[in-house]
Amino acid sequence: EVQLVESGGGLVQPGASLKLSCVASGFTFSDYWMSWVRQTPGKTMEWIGDIKYDGSYTNYAPSLKNRFTISRDNAKSTLYLQMSNVRSEDTATYYCTRVAGASAYWGQGTLVTVSS
Amino acid sequence: DIVMTQSPTSMSISVGDRVTMNCKASQNVGSNVDWYQQKTGQSPKLLIYKASNRYTGVPDRFTGSGSGTDFTFTISNMQAEDLAVYYCMQSNSYPNTFGAGTKLELK
Repeated sequence: EVQLVESGGGLVQPGASLKLSCVASGFTFSDYWMSWVRQTPGKTMEWIGDIKYDGSYTNYAPSLKNRFTISRDNAKSTLYLQMSNVRSEDTATYYCTRVAGASAYWGQGTLVTVSS
Repeated sequence: DIVMTQSPTSMSISVGDRVTMNCKASQNVGSNVDWYQQKTGQSPKLLIYKASNRYTGVPDRFTGSGSGTDFTFTISNMQAEDLAVYYCMQSNSYPNTFGAGTKLELK
């Protein structure tokens, strides 16, 4: 059974950094592109970016590219999202997804709240 | 960025109704549109990929159509368990972008 489990969310102060993780199981992680998507409290969905199966290529939403970094450790079947200089508008639930044409598998999400 | 304009924002429906919602892309996205269902408290679930392909295990009352800039998602015989928010997303060009969602509510 495919499982994606995000972690690392929580309350963080504006300007701080945070690293989210997504542990994958039930499939060969190194065979798939992976992505991060976030959903604001108002339910707006925003694609953050994705990463090639070997980690050699990433794409980002232009508005986030300078602050967010996606990486992966295939030996650990883990996807990461490094967030820096976070802002109140980064408050959202962050999902990792497995990409195979479409995002058929999503994690349960991890909530990030940016507030002082 | 490609803007996906989804309509309507919400619909009041009854069990058994035929439900149709639309997504209009600000530029040609070919057939690269997916439809997701999100129930309250759950993660999104893929229903339709590449505009018209039903994902594994998705009931045939869910259908998608369209290409280019205009896409339609239909539930042919609304069931109570279909109450959710539905999102379209284009993956034709980066960054992928979502519609704002259509919320189905009981009349």
